[in-house]
Amino acid sequence: EVQLVESGGGLVQPGGSLRLSCAASGFTFSGYEMNWVRQAPGKGLEWVSYISNSGSTIYYADSVKGRFTISRDNAKNSLYLQMNSLRAEDTAVYYCARDPPDRGPVGTYIDFWGQGTLVTVSS
Amino acid sequence: QSVLTQPPSVSAAPGQKVTISCSGSSSNIGYNYVSWYQQLPGTAPKLLIYDTNERPSGIPDRFSGSKSGTSATLGITGLQTGDEADYYCGTWDSSLSAGVFGGGTKLTVL
Repeated sequence: EVQLVESGGGLVQPGGSLRLSCAASGFTFSGYEMNWVRQAPGKGLEWVSYISNSGSTIYYADSVKGRFTISRDNAKNSLYLQMNSLRAEDTAVYYCARDPPDRGPVGTYIDFWGQGTLVTVSS
Repeated sequence: QSVLTQPPSVSAAPGQKVTISCSGSSSNIGYNYVSWYQQLPGTAPKLLIYDTNERPSGIPDRFSGSKSGTSATLGITGLQTGDEADYYCGTWDSSLSAGVFGGGTKLTVL
């Protein structure tokens, strides 16, 4: 059974940092491209970042570029999102999301979503 | 402000058909495949349609997708109360080099 389990969310002050993790199981993690997608309370989905299966290709939304860093450890079947200089507008549920294999970002779609972890940025 | 534009809400009676539009541009919908997601209240999104008009296994053929130019459409026939959810379109924007979603459409089955 495919599982994506996010962790690391919580309350952080503006300007602070947080590192999200996503533990993958039930599939060959190293063969899949991955994303982070977020959803502010009561709002729609916002794509945050993409990483290729090898980690060699990475993209970010303009809203997080320069502040967030996506990475992965295929040996540990894990995806990460390092979030620095956090702002109130970063408050959201963050979803770890899997792309189907060998599509590349242009052909991307998300075939499986984790349950999400809530990040709250507030003083 | 979302790159892709969806109506905020649609409604129809049980058993009827509804369509949800998703409008974009030549750098996203006009150039790339479109996907659609269903988000039931309090849950994570679920893939409904990929590659514009393909259904994953387990998704009933009541759900369909199409595209014309820079707009895409999700169709749902034989509406059920269990279809009440938020629906999102998504694709890649080749100019932005970024994934993009529509703002979401809330479906009410009256």
